[in-house]
Amino acid sequence: GAGVSQTPSNKVTEKGKYVELRCDPISGHTALYWYRQSLGQGPEFLIYFQGTGAADDSGLPNDRFFAVRPEGSVSTLKIQRTERGDSAVYLCASSPYAGYEQYFGPGTRLTVT
Amino acid sequence: GESVGLHLPTLSVQEGDNSIINCAYSNSASDYFIWYKQESGKGPQFIIDIRSNMDKRQGQRVTVLLNKTVKHLSLQIAATQPGDSAVYFCAEKARLSYSGGGADGLTFGKGTHLIIQP
Repeated sequence: GAGVSQTPSNKVTEKGKYVELRCDPISGHTALYWYRQSLGQGPEFLIYFQGTGAADDSGLPNDRFFAVRPEGSVSTLKIQRTERGDSAVYLCASSPYAGYEQYFGPGTRLTVT
Repeated sequence: GESVGLHLPTLSVQEGDNSIINCAYSNSASDYFIWYKQESGKGPQFIIDIRSNMDKRQGQRVTVLLNKTVKHLSLQIAATQPGDSAVYFCAEKARLSYSGGGADGLTFGKGTHLIIQP
């Protein structure tokens, strides 16, 4: 079956612009996670959804970052007023239920110039 | 704050040899541990997991050992192959929530780059 997909695979934007990153989880997975991975580092947790609601957004670095999952499936990570420090690979993962194995997508590489 | 870390950033082994990748964790509340493999340009791929009520778990060519006394986790890969070349991350979770209420994300270490030499 299809795995987690993320679009776009690469995104280049100018400082100060707004970007949206999309995640399509594995069908039927109720838990969805966003992570950010900087070069040479491990992924860093951002936010977790159980169904449509954000159960834990403690990893979001500031209020420029926001994520939604309106129908409990596809999720969008939104970044306002992008900064060069936001450049990283943004990974999405899904899981059948919270506490189970997480399956990762290929990530979106965001570059802020 | 508490974090998960790895002892060695790079490990080079001969093809066919066994590899051992180590990980130290400091959060005593951690009760679930996972090893992921990440190849260049791809997302992390699940290898094996272990819960804190176990000290050893085996998969296909891989074994994870957990020593809660010294807060140490290791991944053993038997008979390494060229396809095993990747960065390996250990990750932990402080608690499990099967009901879905308030389950946190994973905390990853920095990773070990495993290089397989022919």
